[in-house]
Amino acid sequence: EAQVTQNPRYLITVTGKKLTVTCSQNMNHEYMSWYRQDPGLGLRQIYYSMNVEVTDKGDVPEGYKVSRKEKRNFPLILESPSPNQTSLYFCASSSFQGGYEQYFGPGTRLTVT
Amino acid sequence: SQQGEEDPQALSIQEGENATMNCSYKTSINNLQWYRQNSGRGLVHLILIRSNEREKHSGRLRVTLDTSKKSSSLLITASRAADTASYFCATTNSGNTPLVFGKGTRLSVIA
Repeated sequence: EAQVTQNPRYLITVTGKKLTVTCSQNMNHEYMSWYRQDPGLGLRQIYYSMNVEVTDKGDVPEGYKVSRKEKRNFPLILESPSPNQTSLYFCASSSFQGGYEQYFGPGTRLTVT
Repeated sequence: SQQGEEDPQALSIQEGENATMNCSYKTSINNLQWYRQNSGRGLVHLILIRSNEREKHSGRLRVTLDTSKKSSSLLITASRAADTASYFCATTNSGNTPLVFGKGTRLSVIA
């Protein structure tokens, strides 16, 4: 089944404790992206990647890091989480062949206390 | 960055009625897409319309695009309670630029 998976789905952590949210897709998509969703602000892009070893900042990259060492994986790293990073996070992927229709993961709800 | 803006922010209708949502954007686009999100879950792609297309249908969905007005509309006909969700438009420029989402329209269909 074609899908994007994220782990963990829920996470409660404390300020400053490094964490990684994993994202994996099985569709051989070139493009992957991370978004955060906050009430009243819609989806905002954090980082995106056009292909392996190619990443770029989105609209709200501060406090986040990403890497794209393999085509299928695109982890999101919070080196020192803060309460303002409490949010719902989505990973998405798409193929450039398909007109950029994006496939979304189920989301990761992160709470930083 | 360019951004689609949906209108209205919220819409409440009775089951069986039609629902229309609008999206406006600021710069030229390569294509425009509509997505649905059930509460707290991942977005699901509904339909894509290219800049050289004016109308597209998919089941009970009808999307129009007016590039001269930089706007699009999504019509859901004969709505059902299961259509209750948030709907987002998203645009991308020419070339391999990222998709940019609006803030969404929250649709409630009352049985």
